[in-house]
Amino acid sequence: GENVEQHPSTLSVQEGDSAVIKCTYSDSASNYFPWYKQELGKRPQLIIDIRSNVGEKKDQRIAVTLNKTAKHFSLHITETQPEDSAVYFCAALQGSNDYKLSFGAGTTVTVRA
Amino acid sequence: DAGVIQSPRHEVTEMGQEVTLRCKPISGHNSLFWYRQTMMRGLELLIYFNNNVPIDDSGMPEDRFSAKMPNASFSTLKIQPSEPRDSAVYFCASTMGGGTGYTFGSGTRLTVV
Repeated sequence: GENVEQHPSTLSVQEGDSAVIKCTYSDSASNYFPWYKQELGKRPQLIIDIRSNVGEKKDQRIAVTLNKTAKHFSLHITETQPEDSAVYFCAALQGSNDYKLSFGAGTTVTVRA
Repeated sequence: DAGVIQSPRHEVTEMGQEVTLRCKPISGHNSLFWYRQTMMRGLELLIYFNNNVPIDDSGMPEDRFSAKMPNASFSTLKIQPSEPRDSAVYFCASTMGGGTGYTFGSGTRLTVV
């Protein structure tokens, strides 16, 4: 099955700086990569996703890049704000399965004011 | 759409009691997932259903856990008997598949004393 590794496990950044979270996956047939944000005490919510036919996608201050050859993808948050503080999870859809996502272990991002 | 609806939001029970968690997926979503989240183990997939049929229950920790999906709009996760180590937040999520993201419910925070 798919194995997703996520780094770092914790990340502290100064407000206004950028944050980058990296994930690797094992199944070369995986074709869909969503990112979830979970604020304290809340549910995980989808913030951005990318499919294997594109290399980069951007939505305001967040962007995701995908390197299929190296089997890794990254989340970039620019101009960080205190409300970006949360746990972020990457995930990959197993290539042989249209339904099952494999999640990374999560990155706790803290934005210092 | 009201999203994925879980009940109860909070449950406190005594060790040995039966606990039933409930989930209503988004209408039209044909896959449903039960996750358990703890600080120590992160997000763990317990079981998932496609078209009301259990597909993978390898994450169910032991026979004390059982899940059902009698129809497309309702699922239950039952723990009998409950133990203190079952204390966690239990999330239900649904998707229409085909490389789309999950929508999570608000979760049930279970405390077994």
